Amino acid sequence: DAGVIQSPRHEVTEMGQEVTLRCKPISGHDYLFWYRQTMMRGLELLIYFNNNVPIDDSGMPEDRFSAKMPNASFSTLKIQPSEPRDSAVYFCASSLGKPSGNTIYFGEGSWLTVV
Amino acid sequence: GQSLEQPSEVTAVEGAIVQINCTYQTSGFYGLSWYQQHDGGAPTFLSYNALDGLEETGRFSSFLSRSDSYGYLLLQELQMKDSASYFCAVSLISASKIIFGSGTRLSIRP
Repeated sequence: DAGVIQSPRHEVTEMGQEVTLRCKPISGHDYLFWYRQTMMRGLELLIYFNNNVPIDDSGMPEDRFSAKMPNASFSTLKIQPSEPRDSAVYFCASSLGKPSGNTIYFGEGSWLTVV
Repeated sequence: GQSLEQPSEVTAVEGAIVQINCTYQTSGFYGLSWYQQHDGGAPTFLSYNALDGLEETGRFSSFLSRSDSYGYLLLQELQMKDSASYFCAVSLISASKIIFGSGTRLSIRP
C-alpha cells in the first residue's frame, strides 16, 4: 500500500515566484495535515483538513500561504509570492480518524529553497 | 497554549543506554508519542503512551507521568543507525491535531 506521496521532492525557486506543493494522502484516510519544518521553529502545523474541509488554519503564517483539498485524494499548499524565509521542508501527513499519536503517517517531504 | 520541551542534543556511545526527556504544558491530550527522523527523511512513529507507565517495543521504551507532566524515551543497546532526531508529541483532546516538541538530536559515538 502506497504511503503519503508528495511532490516535488525538491524545488528551488526565485523570490516572488509562485510555489505549489502537492500531496496524495493514504487512500481512505480522512485527515490531512500540512507541517513545515525549519531548524529555528521545528515542526509546525500549518493547516489540517477533515473530509476535505479545512478545520484549523491558525498555523498558516500569512496570506501568502493557501491550501486546498478539492477531493479526498489530493491537496495543495501554495505560496504566492514566495520569499527566502519560506525555505523549509514541507511535510504532508494523513490519518485515519482523529489522530491519537500512533496513527499519523508522513510523506517524505518537499524541500523548498527560495533564493 | 501548548508546549513541549526537549534537550536539543544528546551524545551517547554505541552499545550504551540513553534517555531523552520531554516535559510538556498542555491542557489535555490523548497520549504522548515519540517519532524518529533521520537526516533528510520523514518523521516515523516509534512509541505511544496513552496511560501512565512504561511501554516497551524492542530496544525502545517510552514512559509517561501525567502528574509530573513528563515523559521520556529510552533507547538501549545503541546502534550507529539510531543517530537521528527524536520528537515527542501530544495529540490534543480539544482539536484533532498533533503538536510536536522541538526535537532532540542524538549523536552516537563508536
